[in-house]
Amino acid sequence: GQNIDQPTEMTATEGAIVQINCTYQTSGFNGLFWYQQHAGEAPTFLSYNVLDGLEEKGRFSSFLSRSKGYSYLLLKELQMKDSASYLCAAPSNDYKLSFGAGTTVTVRA
Amino acid sequence: GAGVSQSPSNKVTEKGKDVELRCDPISGHTALYWYRQSLGQGLEFLIYFQGNSAPDKSGLPSDRFSAERTGGSVSTLTIQRTQQEDSAVYLCASSLSGTGYEQYFGPGTRLTVT
Repeated sequence: GQNIDQPTEMTATEGAIVQINCTYQTSGFNGLFWYQQHAGEAPTFLSYNVLDGLEEKGRFSSFLSRSKGYSYLLLKELQMKDSASYLCAAPSNDYKLSFGAGTTVTVRA
Repeated sequence: GAGVSQSPSNKVTEKGKDVELRCDPISGHTALYWYRQSLGQGLEFLIYFQGNSAPDKSGLPSDRFSAERTGGSVSTLTIQRTQQEDSAVYLCASSLSGTGYEQYFGPGTRLTVT
């Protein structure tokens, strides 16, 4: 499978910005997914980048550089409800995703 | 429409017993995945079904694990002679097809082997 590397934990205060980096081994298959997983719940889709560059979706943005095997998820104007685990996932073939272990983000008042 | 559903939500079983976990994917989704997630860990791929094609079973950790998908819809993951290391959350996901589409996850089955 892919080697997906992302930080284990990050802490930030309400209203701040946090950037979660993810590096992965390129497989020849494009695309990089970010999922959000609240404690005790299933992962939910956040973003999918297939081309290089930044894609913005409200308070969340995701960046991809395919040649560098690098992505980041940017969370702006942090809210308490953003406390969750954020999973980076890259395709290892045309149907299988390899998931990182997740970055636990804790938002403090 | 309804999302992915899984049953049971929780299962406690004794070591050595067999268990069956069920997944109902979103209607029309041809791809179905099973994952395992241990505490604090990422998602471990177990098996993939796509339409009528042969499943990719490469992630199944041992021959005690098996899965089937009947009629291209409902899937059952069976674990025989359960061991304590099988304790985890088992997640099912479905998608329209392949990695170009987001996966929709079910709520998971928390399996505890005592």
